[in-house]
Amino acid sequence: AQSVSQHNHHVILSEAASLELGCNYSYGGTVNLFWYVQYPGQHLQLLLKYFSGDPLVKGIKGFEAEFIKSKFSFNLRKPSVQWSDTAEYFCAVFASGGYNKLIFGAGTRLAVHP
Amino acid sequence: DTGVSQDPRHKITKRGQNVTFRCDPISEHNRLYWYRQTLGQGPEFLTYFQNEAQLEKSRLLSDRFSAERPKGSFSTLEIQRTEQGDSAMYLCASSSREGAYEQYFGPGTRLTVT
Repeated sequence: AQSVSQHNHHVILSEAASLELGCNYSYGGTVNLFWYVQYPGQHLQLLLKYFSGDPLVKGIKGFEAEFIKSKFSFNLRKPSVQWSDTAEYFCAVFASGGYNKLIFGAGTRLAVHP
Repeated sequence: DTGVSQDPRHKITKRGQNVTFRCDPISEHNRLYWYRQTLGQGPEFLTYFQNEAQLEKSRLLSDRFSAERPKGSFSTLEIQRTEQGDSAMYLCASSSREGAYEQYFGPGTRLTVT
């Protein structure tokens, strides 16, 4: 069965530090990968997505992610975080078999201190 | 706000009672998903509707759970004879045929079973 692993459950950074959140998936076929973000008190929002093409994907708010097929990874990065990036981040993949249901990782809770 | 809405936002119920949640998707979105999220975990898929047809149900959806989407518009999720293990956040998401890869999430209904 497909699964998504996020290695860091809690990350604490100071403003201006660089961010990298790990995500690995288990599936050997074609994958569609996503990062969602949930700011405190808000809905889950799509941060960025990868379907095909350039493995370096740019999303909103200066985030980017790199798809490395050989490593089954889709890590999220941001060169310089801000206090407003404090949120929970979820990596997700479309499940095989149609209907585009999402399989999520457990999430990484990021706290950015001013 | 024309996003996905859910009602109620919070529900506290006693074990054994029945509860019903409502989801109003983005207008004209024909695809609707229900997910469940427990503390420390990412959302888990429960069921999927395309228009009024329920096309997939997760094994997580026991016989006590039923979902409907009459007329292909809003959807309801009912839990009968609630158990403490049903305590979770219930999320609804919708997508359009054209943008089938992007799911828009509602704020969720937090259920607490005492």
